[in-house]
Amino acid sequence: RKEVEQDPGPFNVPEGATVAFNCTYSNSASQSFFWYRQDCRKEPKLLMSVYSSGNEDGRFTAQLNRASQYISLLIRDSKLSDSATYLCVVMPPPGTYKYIFGTGTRLKVLA
Amino acid sequence: NAGVTQTPKFQVLKTGQSMTLQCAQDMNHEYMSWYRQDPGMGLRLIHYSVGAGITDQGEVPNGYNVSRSTTEDFPLRLLSAAPSQTSVYFCASGGEGALGYTFGSGTRLTVV
Repeated sequence: RKEVEQDPGPFNVPEGATVAFNCTYSNSASQSFFWYRQDCRKEPKLLMSVYSSGNEDGRFTAQLNRASQYISLLIRDSKLSDSATYLCVVMPPPGTYKYIFGTGTRLKVLA
Repeated sequence: NAGVTQTPKFQVLKTGQSMTLQCAQDMNHEYMSWYRQDPGMGLRLIHYSVGAGITDQGEVPNGYNVSRSTTEDFPLRLLSAAPSQTSVYFCASGGEGALGYTFGSGTRLTVV
């Protein structure tokens, strides 16, 4: 089993739609979780951290379910500019700094 | 501007040649790493460092060497380039108090 797994997609959604991605992780001792966004031929950039209580940043909501070992990202009111690959990132136990990346979920928002 | 600087942005090598990819950060991060990204494979960790003088292997270290003589710099050396090393290489840094990683803009390497 991969340490971090994501559905590769692509998810093709119309503008204004709500879309959700899930990501599962295998190491129950993992401590930190992030969502990164990567545009075509660009470097990954931090989108948001994922906190145990869930957190929201504008149209984006991230949630963590430790019991089932998955994190999720919800995007409301999708924009064309949201088209990108979304990477799930997990940091194992504290201090290791060995971030584990999922292979990414590709989102295409259609006009 | 603060961040991670990678050079070169593009490089073509012939099989058997060696070269060094440069990475520098000015955020005083103790942690630096090198990833390669191939289609359908995601980001795979090559080598990482938790501070000056300390390096360790990641998931795919074969064919690459690293050193960390200063906090700022973390070069990646390809010893004898092979076509299988054609990829996009990203350097990243992070540290205590930093939120996640900061990535460099990448080096697109082609080995012919």
